[in-house]
Amino acid sequence: SQKIEQNSEALNIQEGKTATLTCNYTNYSPAYLQWYRQDPGRGPVFLLLIRENEKEKRKERLKVTFDTTLKQSLFHITASQPADSATYLCALDMYRSSASKIIFGSGTRLSIRP
Amino acid sequence: DSGVTQTPKHLITATGQRVTLRCSPRSGDLSVYWYQQSLDQGLQFLIQYYNGEERAKGNILERFSAQQFPDLHSELNLSSLELGDSALYFCASSATGGGRQPQHFGDGTRLSIL
Repeated sequence: SQKIEQNSEALNIQEGKTATLTCNYTNYSPAYLQWYRQDPGRGPVFLLLIRENEKEKRKERLKVTFDTTLKQSLFHITASQPADSATYLCALDMYRSSASKIIFGSGTRLSIRP
Repeated sequence: DSGVTQTPKHLITATGQRVTLRCSPRSGDLSVYWYQQSLDQGLQFLIQYYNGEERAKGNILERFSAQQFPDLHSELNLSSLELGDSALYFCASSATGGGRQPQHFGDGTRLSIL
């Protein structure tokens, strides 16, 4: 069965540095991969979506890469700030249709220290 | 504000009881998804509805059921509640369905079983 692994349960970095989070998946190659941010007690908030034929996607200080050969996505936050501290989830869709069966990773808790 | 409304925010009940969680999707969205999030497990997909019809199913227990009404709001019914059902239940919506679209999450219903 399909599995998603976010290889760090927690990541602690200095403000101003680049945070890099990893999402690995097995078996099925998704057509789309998404990244979300979740703050304590709140619902996840969508950040970026990348398609299988896209190598990279950017939005302001965020960058996502998608390597279907390695079955891996990397999520980067450049010039990190304490306000970026949150849990980040990757998600992929099991089916290539409107019948979504979204699988979320367990998340990486990112802490940015001043 | 995601535009997705979930009620109630908190629910405390006893084992063996039945509860109904309600979700109003973002205006214009046809797909509704339900997720369960507990401390020891990540975000688990339960079920998806699209325009009133069940579209995809995850690891939803037989004691749980859901439906989407003609006005597109959705309800998740949990019966014969057990202590292990204590969790955050999230509803999300998207315009249609499929991994090509972001999901917009509500802030969840926190269910506590005593």
